[in-house]
Amino acid sequence: KAGVTQTPRYLIKTRGQQVTLSCSPISGHRSVSWYQQTPGQGLQFLFEYFSETQRNKGNFPGRFSGRQFSNSRSEMNVSTLELGDSALYLCASRATGSGETQYFGPGTRLLVL
Amino acid sequence: TQLLEQSPQFLSIQEGENLTVYCNSSSVFSSLQWYRQEPGEGPVLLVTVVTGGEVKKLKRLTFQFGDARKDSSLHITAAQPGDTGLYLCAGIKAAGNKLTFGGGTRVLVKP
Repeated sequence: KAGVTQTPRYLIKTRGQQVTLSCSPISGHRSVSWYQQTPGQGLQFLFEYFSETQRNKGNFPGRFSGRQFSNSRSEMNVSTLELGDSALYLCASRATGSGETQYFGPGTRLLVL
Repeated sequence: TQLLEQSPQFLSIQEGENLTVYCNSSSVFSSLQWYRQEPGEGPVLLVTVVTGGEVKKLKRLTFQFGDARKDSSLHITAAQPGDTGLYLCAGIKAAGNKLTFGGGTRVLVKP
């Protein structure tokens, strides 16, 4: 089976712009979670989607949003980018989300100038 | 302040030495996981511990979950350069399945 894929792998944006990141889960997995990883704050949970519905949400401002499609692919969007949004954005998938192993993708590295 | 505190933040040792990484919290977790992350990749799950006092071994890696399910440790025996990476602990508090990660321990094993 192919692993979790994320596109693009690298992205440079300027302050005030918006960005959309994409995640394709492992085939058959219905849960997709997003995380932000920075040197200062470490890995922080953004949100989880399961069967097109947001099931869990972390403590991030409303500028961070996401969605999941019927094929379980997910996108996350960040509007009005700030310098502090520079980070590695990781997505992880699992079959149903209940006590199962979570598989991470390689991440999208976002740099905001 | 991190809910899960990892120590040390950075560890540099010679090949063949032993090392221990700690993951501590004031909160109780239903389970705790350890991941290793290498540059340019996402974290990869190493182990999940569920029962207080549980010890799991994965080749040269030994994982222990505290009796009160608030802390955990990872011990590597006879470290090798291939053990180099960022080690992350992550706790799950309830059926919600939201993972809370520690700040990570960067391990460098020099040949």
